[in-house]
Amino acid sequence: QLQLQESGPGLVKSSETLSLTCTVSGGSISRYYWNWVRQSPGKGLEWIGNIYYSGDTMYSPSLESRVTISVDRSKNQFSLRLTSVTSADAGVYYCATSPFFGVVSIWGQGTTITVSS
Amino acid sequence: DIQMTQSPSTLSASVGDRVTITCRASQSIGDSLAWYQQKPGKAPTLLIYKTSSLESGSPSRFSASGYGTEFTLTISSLQPDDFATYYCQQFKGYWNFGPGTKVDVK
Repeated sequence: QLQLQESGPGLVKSSETLSLTCTVSGGSISRYYWNWVRQSPGKGLEWIGNIYYSGDTMYSPSLESRVTISVDRSKNQFSLRLTSVTSADAGVYYCATSPFFGVVSIWGQGTTITVSS
Repeated sequence: DIQMTQSPSTLSASVGDRVTITCRASQSIGDSLAWYQQKPGKAPTLLIYKTSSLESGSPSRFSASGYGTEFTLTISSLQPDDFATYYCQQFKGYWNFGPGTKVDVK
């Protein structure tokens, strides 16, 4: 059974770059789609983007200019890089996988990101 | 971009009630829709994929239907564990979620 675990700094300064990593256990990252989804405090879910195991990426148009998702097969991890963060980027960030296109069926527990000024 | 809306935003119901949530897309998405349940402080869980297919492990009291631009999620008999927020998600183009429907106690 696949399990995902996010890791990251917890606190990021405004205008700096947020970097998060998701470690995949119980299976190989060399298949499926690998997603990042976030949730601002008290708000709904926002899909950030994903990477297919082949390396193809798809990003939300609203974040595309600031987002990079990459895969490290040697470590069975994938990562999120979000540049020029503001307070609007604070919230819980989830990594998740889609064995089938469009269906986010396995989620990490989420990691909380605070943006300081 | 495809925009998703949900109604109502909040639904107050009692255990045993039949509950229906509606999700609408700004353009046709065919059957490219999924439904998720989220409880406070927890990650979402997949309930329904491809508009009407029940995810393994999801209770059979959940059902869903629709096509194109209008979709519904129905809980046939609301149980205490079902008080949560429900999100639809389209994957026809760029993926995105609806704003959510909170089901709370009447």
